[in-house]
Formats: sequence, C-alpha cells, structure tokens
Amino acid sequence: DIQMTQSPSSLSASVGDRVTITCRTSQSIGTYLNWYQQRPGKVPQLMIYGASSLQSGVPSRFSGSGSGTDFTLTISGLRPEDFVTYHCQQSYSIPLSFGQGTRLEI
Amino acid sequence: QVHLVQSGAEVKKPGASVRISCKASGYSFTNYYLHWVRQAPGQGLAWMGIINPSGGSTDYAQRFQGRLTLTWDSSTTTLYMELTSLKSEDAAIYYCAMGVTRPYNCDYWGQGTLVTVSS
Repeated sequence: DIQMTQSPSSLSASVGDRVTITCRTSQSIGTYLNWYQQRPGKVPQLMIYGASSLQSGVPSRFSGSGSGTDFTLTISGLRPEDFVTYHCQQSYSIPLSFGQGTRLEI
Repeated sequence: QVHLVQSGAEVKKPGASVRISCKASGYSFTNYYLHWVRQAPGQGLAWMGIINPSGGSTDYAQRFQGRLTLTWDSSTTTLYMELTSLKSEDAAIYYCAMGVTRPYNCDYWGQGTLVTVSS
C-alpha cells in the first residue's frame, strides 16, 4: 500500500501570502496525485489532478507540481476563502490513499 | 449535470449494520467508477472501496475487508454501501464519489451521510 505524508498539518498565513503544502508518497506514483479543498462542514472538491492540471473553474492562483514521490500545492496571493483544509490523494493504485490534511489558518 | 444524492443520517448500535444509498443521475452510468470515502469527526479522508458499474467488480481497502460490500443497481442507477459489525470507530460522514477525469479521481461527490454508532 502507498503511504501518504502531507505536511504541514496546519499552516498560518495572511491574505496575499504565497504558501506551499507538500505531499510525499512512499513509492513513485508518476503524476497520479490529486489535491482537494474542503471547507468546514462541506464536501471535498477536486482542485488539481494529475499533479498539475487545474480542475475546471479553479482559480489560477492555485498550482500543483511534482512527480515521483514529492508533490507540492502552491497558492499564490491568498484570499480569505482559501483558509480551509487541503487533502492530497494518490490515484496511482488500489488501495487509494489520502494525506492527513493541511489546515490553512489566517 | 452529474448528481450524486445520498440517503439520510443513520444511528446504529455497535454490532449492527448500516446500508447507505447513493442515487446517480446526469451522466452515462457505466462509464465511470464510483468510490466510497469516509471522514471521522475532525479527521482526514479515508478511502474505503471502489465499484465499476459496468460489470460490478469491486475493490476494498484491506481494513474493511469482510465488513464492506458495494453494489450497483442498474435499474435505479443507485450505488449501495453496506458496512457490517459496526464499531464506535465507524462513526463518520460517508461519501460516495465518482471518477471522471481519471477513474481513481473523485471529481463529483455526494452530500455525505452521517453515521452515528452508539449504544
């Protein structure tokens, strides 16, 4: 099974900042890495798939990069609505797995 | 427009079973895999299993093997998740989700079903 290590678990930042969240996998997964955003009490939303492809409607301040075992989600120019939780997920092989989540705090 | 509509909240006693439905509409049902993901209070997301509606093949996370069954009713385009021998640790929000961009992605999600396990 592929283990996911997402860091940090929480991150403090300010509006306008640029932040990076990291996800590391226990084995190489190519670019089969997704990022989800989850607002409190809401359903997760797919933001980035294939490590770097933005889902339709996702603002361009979100970007993803990486391949193999190391991946990053970068948010440039933080807006108030971005201060929520982000999850990574490997979509390379069954069983699928998620990271522990990163809570972005203002 | 894809819609995944789940059944309502459940309260179960330890040792009981729960069956949650996920009604799918708005797309070609046999083209996309369906997943179940759960989230315990204050915790991250945990993938549970996947079903291919075309043929009904399934795969389950090892931790749920023997307790989890996913089925697809093509006549009603409804996905079912049954989890047996419930424990307090199974208390969570359960989501169905569908992979569109890639089969193992979760592009669309149901609204979630809260399962409470309490004696």
